[in-house]
Amino acid sequence: AQKVTQAQTEISVVEKEDVTLDCVYETRDTTYYLFWYKQPPSGELVFLIRRNSFDEQNEISGRYSWNFQKSTSSFNFTITASQVVDSAVYFCALSEAEGGATNKLIFGTGTLLAVQP
Amino acid sequence: DTEVTQTPKHLVMGMTNKKSLKCEQHMGHRAMYWYKQKAKKPPELMFVYSYEKLSINESVPSRFSPECPNSSLLNLHLHALQPEDSALYLCASSQDPSSSYNSPLHFGNGTRLTVT
Repeated sequence: AQKVTQAQTEISVVEKEDVTLDCVYETRDTTYYLFWYKQPPSGELVFLIRRNSFDEQNEISGRYSWNFQKSTSSFNFTITASQVVDSAVYFCALSEAEGGATNKLIFGTGTLLAVQP
Repeated sequence: DTEVTQTPKHLVMGMTNKKSLKCEQHMGHRAMYWYKQKAKKPPELMFVYSYEKLSINESVPSRFSPECPNSSLLNLHLHALQPEDSALYLCASSQDPSSSYNSPLHFGNGTRLTVT
């Protein structure tokens, strides 16, 4: 069965701290995509990154970095030098190719990140 | 600014009312989605349209009726809703339905619906 687990329900940090959000997934497919979305208090989900199952290179984008490890089925997200504007709910999601062409995202339960000034 | 526009932002309706939620995108995307999100929960897929045709209905009650008049517009018609239907309703779009499993979804800001 496909499943995405975000064990951290809430994390609170002080500005400028680094923080890592964990994501563990389960799938029987060999071809799949992993995503991270950010949902600020305003409500919209903002796409952050997509990673396919054949590309295990880590990625860095400014203060954001992602660590994909197939061996542990994890796709963790690190924010370096956190800022108050990073406060949001972050969702990890899985999409499988074998489920057909249409995109059915399987979301984790989300991690609420609160960055205190 | 989001490229998927949803109206209204907030809606309060009684259980006997009929209302509609609207969603519009001009990115040329051919897959459009409705999601429902309850507080402190992840979004749940309701409907998917591919090339203006309904391709997925996740066993949504008939009091929710989707409509896709053209490739840019998506509506959700609401009738005889229950208080437990109160939630944030999110519209999304993605590029090409034939390979949409790898396409990121672009979400709107959502409509916050309260059923009284």
